[in-house]
Amino acid sequence: GAVVSQHPSWVICKSGTSVKIECRSLDFQATTMFWYRQFPKQSLMLMATSNEGSKATYEQGVEKDKFLINHASLTLSTLTVTSAHPEDSSFYICSARAPPNEQFFGPGTRLTVL
Amino acid sequence: DAKTTQPPSMDCAEGRAANLPCNHSTISGNEYVYWYRQIHSQGPQYIIHGLKNNETNEMASLIITEDRKSSTLILPHATLRDTAVYYCIVRPDNAGNMLTFGGGTRLMVKP
Repeated sequence: GAVVSQHPSWVICKSGTSVKIECRSLDFQATTMFWYRQFPKQSLMLMATSNEGSKATYEQGVEKDKFLINHASLTLSTLTVTSAHPEDSSFYICSARAPPNEQFFGPGTRLTVL
Repeated sequence: DAKTTQPPSMDCAEGRAANLPCNHSTISGNEYVYWYRQIHSQGPQYIIHGLKNNETNEMASLIITEDRKSSTLILPHATLRDTAVYYCIVRPDNAGNMLTFGGGTRLMVKP
């Protein structure tokens, strides 16, 4: 199957700093990518849908000014957690839509905010 | 997306078949049943999907009832590496939209 990578796989940062997470589709072009968040022992929750060349669509309750999404190319979407706080500590997972309608998930990025 | 109901956890002996049930009584005619699994601290992995016919691939079999209100994922010979959370999701195949994850079933394969 298609491969989606995420970088970094884990990151620890101080409260108040910003963290950028990259999601790449390695062997296919993805016009749409999705960002999920998963807290311990909970299911994945969709945060936003990232469309190449246009603004992301955020789910209700997700602050667009805090979680900045950029999908500048057909193989790369980035999620920037701005002014991170301990409550933002979570497992962030991206997925990419491959034609015709398959979705492939990245390995996830574990963010810990001290 | 239609809602699904799965048992929160199940145990299975290594080498035996694991049968994971899923109820989706409000499924619409154009909605497919998808199964994903998530091994601890990894991204979800696609397993199988189907509309109304039973499906089989190298990983598992999917049995969908005739009324399509429920389905069962079968891992024919479970191994310790199959320990994971299994998610049953229904959605239109042509939607291309995000997947909505429920609670899933935590399968523990024991030696």
